[in-house]
Amino acid sequence: DQQVKQNSPSLSVQEGRISILNCDYTNSMFDYFLWYKKYPAEGPTFLISISSIKDKNEDGRFTVFLNKSAKHLSLHIVPSQPGDSAVYFCAASVSGNQFYFGTGTSLTVIP
Amino acid sequence: EAGVAQSPRYKIIEKRQSVAFWCNPISGHATLYWYQQILGQGPKLLIQFQNNGVVDDSQLPKDRFSAERLKGVDSTLKIQPAKLEDSAVYLCASSLGQTKWSEKLFFGSGTQLSVL
Repeated sequence: DQQVKQNSPSLSVQEGRISILNCDYTNSMFDYFLWYKKYPAEGPTFLISISSIKDKNEDGRFTVFLNKSAKHLSLHIVPSQPGDSAVYFCAASVSGNQFYFGTGTSLTVIP
Repeated sequence: EAGVAQSPRYKIIEKRQSVAFWCNPISGHATLYWYQQILGQGPKLLIQFQNNGVVDDSQLPKDRFSAERLKGVDSTLKIQPAKLEDSAVYLCASSLGQTKWSEKLFFGSGTQLSVL
């Protein structure tokens, strides 16, 4: 039972443009969400998080939006850079316990 | 600050053999996780420890997988006997385990297991 879904396996974006990665979840108890970035042969690294008391969190070029009624979150990267090319995973949890991960979206930023 | 250490990086075994993976979390991190990531899928939680107690092992195939975290520090994950479908990357992660909305998982580089 996949509680966290990333329906786009891949995304290609031109350098300098916006990248939008989407994530949907089914468990309404989830209240804390994270985005991770993964390069080949490395473990995932933390990117940005958001709790359910907010609908937006920003960190430099990265912004995460949370729509609780739609059970949907998105990660915006502006402007996209070639070094952003990686697999991005969203993860959800109830109060920071037992994180469930999506299947990932492979982002390619074209120079 | 040292990150999460895992070994070995790669392991190739034949089905029905046994294998063990080791993880040393970040110093001071109370929570330790083992995830299995099959190619093309997201990480799936196998087991979660808080100090040396098990918090969640509901998705651990207990007939063949076992894990321990002695003294609440490093951990070992074992598979015996291995099956072809166990081929995956095994990721260890750790977190402080203290505050609910600031928890972040720090991952090791993983062990890539191939079962032939």
